[in-house]
Amino acid sequence: DAMVIQNPRYQVTQFGKPVTLSCSQTLNHNVMYWYQQKSSQAPKLLFHYYDKDFNNEADTPDNFQSRRPNTSFCFLDIRSPGLGDAAMYLCDTGQLNTEAFFGQGTRLTVV
Amino acid sequence: AQTVTQSQPEMSVQEAETVTLSCTYDTSESDYYLFWYKQPPSRQMILVIRQEAYKQQNATENRFSVNFQKAAKSFSLKISDSQLGDAAMYFCAYRSQETSYDKVIFGPGTSLSVIP
Repeated sequence: DAMVIQNPRYQVTQFGKPVTLSCSQTLNHNVMYWYQQKSSQAPKLLFHYYDKDFNNEADTPDNFQSRRPNTSFCFLDIRSPGLGDAAMYLCDTGQLNTEAFFGQGTRLTVV
Repeated sequence: AQTVTQSQPEMSVQEAETVTLSCTYDTSESDYYLFWYKQPPSRQMILVIRQEAYKQQNATENRFSVNFQKAAKSFSLKISDSQLGDAAMYFCAYRSQETSYDKVIFGPGTSLSVIP
């Protein structure tokens, strides 16, 4: 059974139209991460939550926001998507002394 | 800050042969994990193998094994009896055990092709 689920798998949005990506986990892990991965590149960390504490990476644009209403769910909000935001978005959960558990990712297309 | 380097952007291997992917990393920490992740065209990130830094014994998972050299900060992946399904992007990754949160730091990746 999938332990980290991302919805939707594929998302098409219009330039400038807000979009929300969802991640849920059944592992009860404290930490949830969002990565952006562009074609042929390594995933780049955008931010993470440790419980309810939000931690932004220094170079994450303000256009990207996140919410974590409870342990199980975390959302990535892109306020005004640009063409450069088209990418695969990966959600990951972590707990000390374990590997990362990745969801299947959401492929975002901006038209 | 920790860094992970993969010096081979692309590799190819004949089906049924053995291939080794290289990875080096830099850290001042003593407790950490190292991983190899596989990402096929579907883009799902799949854990291949992991190694705890405190363990001297090299990890093995079926056809996949690592050569972990802690002093040299080297962590290579050996794939034996390569199969067509092994074709993918492979990422070497590092995760600290010394911080209260432990993000994964990825290398740039190696694209592996398997030739029938």
